[in-house]
Amino acid sequence: AQRVTQPEKLLSVFKGAPVELKCNYSYSGSPELFWYVQYSRQRLQLLLRHISRESIKGFTADLNKGETSFHLKKPFAQEEDSAMYYCALRAGGRSGGYNKLIFGAGTRLAVHP
Amino acid sequence: KAGVTQTPRYLIKTRGQQVTLSCSPISGHRSVSWYQQTPGQGLQFLFEYFSETQRNKGNFPGRFSGRQFSNSRSEMNVSTLELGDSALYLCASSFSYRVPEGQTQYFGPGTRLLVL
Repeated sequence: AQRVTQPEKLLSVFKGAPVELKCNYSYSGSPELFWYVQYSRQRLQLLLRHISRESIKGFTADLNKGETSFHLKKPFAQEEDSAMYYCALRAGGRSGGYNKLIFGAGTRLAVHP
Repeated sequence: KAGVTQTPRYLIKTRGQQVTLSCSPISGHRSVSWYQQTPGQGLQFLFEYFSETQRNKGNFPGRFSGRQFSNSRSEMNVSTLELGDSALYLCASSFSYRVPEGQTQYFGPGTRLLVL
C-alpha cells in the first residue's frame, strides 16, 4: 500500500532550537519524496524534494530507503518557520500519470519567541 | 508568470445540488490535478488531466468528475452534494503528466466549498 505517515500533529519549539519533522513512507517502487509547506493564509508550496538534495530556508531532508523515512530538519528554528508541513510521495506511473501525490496528515510547526 | 488560479474562492451549496469549480493552470502547463482537503482525511488526490484526457484517478465516487479544455483549463464537478463534500478543493498544475522525476506541481489557492 502507498502511504505517508507523519506521526506528530503538532511540534512546538522555541526560536533557535533544532527542528525535526518526521515522515515515513510505504511504497513498492522507487519513491520520489517532497516536503510542502503552507504558511497562514497562503497556498501550498513546494519546500524541497529529495532528488534535488538542496537546502531551502535552512531546511534539509535526506531520503533513507532502509528506514523508509524522509525527515525534515533545521538546526535553528525561526519564528517565520511556523506553518503546516506536509510530506508527500509521488505515486502513479505505469498506466497512469506521474503527478499523483500522496500526502501525510501534516505537522503543524509552532516556533515560539 | 501568473500562478494557478481557481474560481470561485468560496461557495455555499445545499445537499443535493451540484457544483462546478474551475482551475486555470500556469501558462504552458498542460497537466492539472485536483485534490480534496478536509480536516478528517487530509489531502486526497481526486484526478489528473492532460491533453483533455483523464490520466489518473483517486478513490472517489462517480459523483466527482472533471474535464479539461483545449487551453488546459480544467473544471471539476460534484453532483448530488453531500455534507461530507464540504472541503477545500485544490488544483495543481505541472508541465506534463509523464515526467517521472524532477517535476514540480504548483498549487492554486483553493475553492472552499460548504455544503449545508
